[in-house]
Parts: sequence; structure tokens; C-alpha cells
Amino acid sequence: ETGVTQTPRHLVMGMTNKKSLKCEQHLGHNAMYWYKQSAKKPLELMFVYNFKEQTENNSVPSRFSPECPNSSHLFLHLHTLQPEDSALYLCASSQVLQSPLHFGNGTRLTVT
Amino acid sequence: QKEVEQDPGPLSVPEGAIVSLNCTYSNSAFQYFMWYRQYSRKGPELLMYTYSSGNKEDGRFTAQVDKSSKYISLFIRDSQPSDSATYLCAMPQGGSQGNLIFGKGTKLSVKP
Repeated sequence: ETGVTQTPRHLVMGMTNKKSLKCEQHLGHNAMYWYKQSAKKPLELMFVYNFKEQTENNSVPSRFSPECPNSSHLFLHLHTLQPEDSALYLCASSQVLQSPLHFGNGTRLTVT
Repeated sequence: QKEVEQDPGPLSVPEGAIVSLNCTYSNSAFQYFMWYRQYSRKGPELLMYTYSSGNKEDGRFTAQVDKSSKYISLFIRDSQPSDSATYLCAMPQGGSQGNLIFGKGTKLSVKP
């Protein structure tokens, strides 16, 4: 098990559903990230939080809503998604913004 | 031109072979260069991390950066079946090392 835990591992949801992805890091890091990994595309940064404050939103559609209640937990709330949102969603953390990322194993999301 | 280009492969080699994985990039401002390894159904894990030009060696792995050519390489000596994974190059953009731009990844298979 890595120091970054993501739940659930797999999620299937309809386009009208609302669901949330959860990430927890046990590494004492202060920065947390959401990345999206789609087939045949590079990893794409979605959001960055530093000390619970959002520092980056990479032009992500509003149907994705992040929440960072503390430096150890990060959520991604999903609603009215599209089939093209199906992907692997990866959470990562780092000690501070100027240090390498530690990734979780991701949530495989399928939107039907 | 994309910011980071990486041949997706797949690349198949026999056990014991020397493997060369490469990325090119377009932004001459990039200073830090990373290689991540991603096993199937897992998140990426940091493998090598170099600053500016030159070589860095860690066991069977050597990372090489040629800033004049905007070209980075990862060499794996005496490749093992356990090296079978997707290898992703990444570079931080902006002032944050957490805001990484990734290549698409090269899928490597080492056959016993």
C-alpha cells in the first residue's frame, strides 16, 4: 500500500449521478494534486492545493469540484459527467510545491 | 509542436538487454527532468530526478539530459522482467515542481 490512498478503486456512474472520489495521504505532505490519465494521452494536471488552499485550476470544467478540508485529505466531487470523462483519476502529494510527487493508485472512472 | 514528445512504443526486449527510452521537449526553460515508472493498475512512482544537463546513475538506471538538443534519455542496463512497465518523462512547468507536464509514456516489456 502506498502512502497515498485513493477510494474507490473503480467507479461506474451514469451521466446524471453525483459521486465523490477520496484521497488520503499519510506522508505528512502539504501539497495535494488531482491528475487525469486518459488512454493514449499524457497525464493532465487538474487541480493543486497547497496548505489547503487551491493554487491551480487547469481550466477544468465545473462538473469537477475539488475539496481539500485539510492537508491530508482531498476530494473530487463529480456531477453530470460526460462519457469522455472516463479515465484514471490520480491523486498525488508532495512535501511542498518544490518537491517530487507521490501518487496514489488512482480511481478508474467509467461514465455510462 | 507538443511540449513533451515521447514514443509510446510498445517496446519489447529480451531479458538482459540495454533499454533506451527518450523524450524531447520544446521549452528551453525546463530545468528539472524526471522519470516515473508506472506498473499496470498502479500509480506512477518517481524513478529518477535530474537537474540541468549531464548524467545521473542509480543502480541499473542512468538518466541523461542534453539541454542543447532538448533531449532526455533513460537507460536501463541488464533489463529484467520486473522492469516491464510504462515509463513517463516529466518536467515541471512554471514555478512549481508539482505542476508537471508529462510525456505520453513508453510501454516496455522485458521478455524472460
